[in-house]
Amino acid sequence: DGGITQSPKYLFRKEGQNVTLSCEQNLNHDAMYWYRQDPGQGLRLIYYSQIVNDFQKGDIAEGYSVSREKKESFPLTVTSAQKNPTAFYLCASTITHSTGGRYGYTFGSGTRLTVV
Amino acid sequence: ILNVEQSPQSLHVQEGDSTNFTCSFPSSNFYALHWYRWETAKSPEALFVMTLNGDEKKKGRISATLNTKEGYSYLYIKGSQPEDSATYLCAFFLMNRDDKIIFGKGTRLHILP
Repeated sequence: DGGITQSPKYLFRKEGQNVTLSCEQNLNHDAMYWYRQDPGQGLRLIYYSQIVNDFQKGDIAEGYSVSREKKESFPLTVTSAQKNPTAFYLCASTITHSTGGRYGYTFGSGTRLTVV
Repeated sequence: ILNVEQSPQSLHVQEGDSTNFTCSFPSSNFYALHWYRWETAKSPEALFVMTLNGDEKKKGRISATLNTKEGYSYLYIKGSQPEDSATYLCAFFLMNRDDKIIFGKGTRLHILP
């Protein structure tokens, strides 16, 4: 079945450590996204990528880095520079409509990161 | 500052009753509005992609309407069932820009048996 796989589901990190969250899709979608959710807030965009080897910062990119070496994969690294990394992270992908618009997103099931 | 508001934040509905809730968004530079259904411990699932003023979409017992001139969309659920319990998210797309997608905080729907 096609879909997006995020791993791990739960992740614990010590302060000062970098950690990488995995996001893989087999939907042949061109665009991929990382969102963060905090309690009582809507999803906020961290980074997105529309094509391989290219990505753009979202609203809250500070302290995060990404890569897009393959169409299927868009890993997110939470660096030690991220001041408040404890949150729920969602990856999403979508395909571009022939008119240039986007269809609905397909989401992964998320990774809950806790800094201990 | 662009804002997408969903109301109510939380809703308890008796099984069998119908219900509706609202997503309010900026009425200028509208490109699209998406509705998602997000069950606990699962991935958000796309319900509707709405682009035209006056759009009405339906999927089983769930339907949605769109008014881009006044900046709101309603989601309706007819004859609520326990499996409808979830958080319903709307996402506002500004001018087909990937960095200008604003999610609401969601309406959390609880169906009471």
